[in-house]
Amino acid sequence: DAKTTQPTSMDCAEGRAANLPCNHSTISGNEYVYWYRQIHSQGPQYIIHGLKNNETNEMASLIITEDRKSSTLILPHATLRDTAVYYCIVRDPGGATNKLIFGTGTLLAVQP
Amino acid sequence: SAVISQKPSRDICQRGTSLTIQCQVDSQVTMMFWYRQQPGQSLTLIATANQGSEATYESGFVIDKFPISRPNLTFSTLTVSNMSPEDSSIYLCSVENGREAFFGQGTRLTVV
Repeated sequence: DAKTTQPTSMDCAEGRAANLPCNHSTISGNEYVYWYRQIHSQGPQYIIHGLKNNETNEMASLIITEDRKSSTLILPHATLRDTAVYYCIVRDPGGATNKLIFGTGTLLAVQP
Repeated sequence: SAVISQKPSRDICQRGTSLTIQCQVDSQVTMMFWYRQQPGQSLTLIATANQGSEATYESGFVIDKFPISRPNLTFSTLTVSNMSPEDSSIYLCSVENGREAFFGQGTRLTVV
């Protein structure tokens, strides 16, 4: 079973920041937080991952709380092409939870 | 990065028949993963395919129904056997590079 909970859906206005929350209260010390997204009719696409420090790349920023029980994916300037299902996944790459277990995800709808 | 090609991209099959899905990767990888995505649902891992050994199946999936071949480090096949309408799904192949997972575009299967 997925170890994360996410809202089912969210709306965001084009050009504004999209903040997607994820709860992972049972995360263990070696488990990373990964974010993927799936645009309609495509395979999932990696966005970002982190352990405990905040991370930023060309696609997004990942903010992880100090207790690591939740995180937020931030798309700084959402575009219509960012409309997708966003999956927050907890895994330990070298341990027992090294499989990608997809939860239900958040359907982000970017509105013009 | 890794480029994954899946064939066929879609198919409509009669119940009781079998379909073999091919997955080709542009680089050598140790493990290849097969997922199923039922209509309106998230991804579910079917099995992990290692070259030179039997595939490892997840709970709820059996080799007789989903036989997998892994003849070399760049290729794998998944067969959906004795199909029923409940097997109508998107089947995706995936590989990882230690940091992120890469997915094919998927095979959209409709069983009638």
